Amino acid sequence: DIVMTQSPLSLPVTPGEPASISCRSSQSLLHSDGYIYLDWYLQKPGQSPQLLIYLNSNRASGVPDRFSGSGSGTNLTLKISRVEAEDFGVYYCMQGLRTPYTFGQGTKLEIK
Amino acid sequence: QLQESGPGLVKPAETLSLTCTVSGGSISGHHWSWFRQPPGKGLEYFGYIYSDGSTDYNPSLKSRVTMSVDTSKNQISLKLSSVTAADTAVYYCARFYSTWGYFDLWGRGTLVTVSS
Repeated sequence: DIVMTQSPLSLPVTPGEPASISCRSSQSLLHSDGYIYLDWYLQKPGQSPQLLIYLNSNRASGVPDRFSGSGSGTNLTLKISRVEAEDFGVYYCMQGLRTPYTFGQGTKLEIK
Repeated sequence: QLQESGPGLVKPAETLSLTCTVSGGSISGHHWSWFRQPPGKGLEYFGYIYSDGSTDYNPSLKSRVTMSVDTSKNQISLKLSSVTAADTAVYYCARFYSTWGYFDLWGRGTLVTVSS
């Protein structure tokens, strides 16, 4: 299985400040079609996960442009340019390249 | 929308059975998956079923998992056999967009507790 490792696991941030979450995969997520099969999800307390980013850098419908995804085949990053109150929760990266699809441990974005 | 349903309490060694009802759209032509999340922990992927009934299960759970689809009812189902306390979790169903490898629709989840 592809192992996904996120850091940090806890990220205290002051609203209005930027935030960055790292995700490393045990294998390259670069497909022969040229796309990196890495998604980012946000899970708010008491809710199901919601898709933020797919194929490493594509924002899902309705996701604000303060969210951006980037990185190479094994080192991926989610950045929030200015954190807002609605952004707090647990962020998960997930590889969609090879079954079984696997998630990182989650990064809890907390109010500082 | 997706809505999970089923017993909230299952006895050890029994089979957990859940249903996911899809509304506002058709099951046909899509892949559907199940996940679970133990209290305070991360997400675990069970596998997917296509609307034609073909499946791909997570090897770590394959011996205990059965997924099925009922297109007439617009439902997918999950059965997990020989449950233990370690299977206590919130269970989610989700739609998988296979072309680009992401889950775009999720149910609200249902808590299943395994206890005698």
